[in-house]
Amino acid sequence: AQSVTQLDSQVPVFEEAPVELRCNYSSSVSVYLFWYVQYPNQGLQLLLKYLSGSTLVESINGFEAEFNKSQTSFHLRKPSVHISDTAEYFCAVGGGADGLTFGKGTHLIIQP
Amino acid sequence: DTGVSQDPRHKITKRGQNVTFRCDPISEHNRLYWYRQTLGQGPEFLTYFQNEAQLEKSRLLSDRFSAERPKGSFSTLEIQRTEQGDSAMYLCASKSSGGRTDTQYFGPGTRLTVL
Repeated sequence: AQSVTQLDSQVPVFEEAPVELRCNYSSSVSVYLFWYVQYPNQGLQLLLKYLSGSTLVESINGFEAEFNKSQTSFHLRKPSVHISDTAEYFCAVGGGADGLTFGKGTHLIIQP
Repeated sequence: DTGVSQDPRHKITKRGQNVTFRCDPISEHNRLYWYRQTLGQGPEFLTYFQNEAQLEKSRLLSDRFSAERPKGSFSTLEIQRTEQGDSAMYLCASKSSGGRTDTQYFGPGTRLTVL
């Protein structure tokens, strides 16, 4: 069985400040890890993913996440957030043929 | 690539009625997934198809829920005898079984409200 824990339901940060959204997972098999973003009134979009290889993965809009097997974590970070980053962020585990297991999501609130 | 589309985007129904939702995946994707997302929660996996074969359906919420993908292209999700607890966003996703991209692409969802 797989599970995902996103410890923070809301994270408020000031614009241009750094942010970390936490994600811990549990899985009995090898995992693929994902971060999806859901902007207001839009569908889920893939932000970044870890399949294998380098444990640090990056997205095109400045986010990065690091796979830490010993701590079973896949935290998402950005060194400087922008107002347009306001969204709901979901961590997910799974891959292969089966469906993904999602966390409850973290609402990132950017304050001017 | 026109993306995953879902129809309708919104559905309001009365308790006890049957509803059917449609999902059109990205054309070259042979795997199709259905999820449910309730308020304040992440998406919850329900079922998936590879081509027309439904390979996992044990996660469907009850026997009132059923899904089909008769020709391996679009899929439908039906809920019979709807209950207020069925109110949620129903999401469809698709992906290719080839390669290692392993990325599911999501549609915009169908929001169901049961009165």
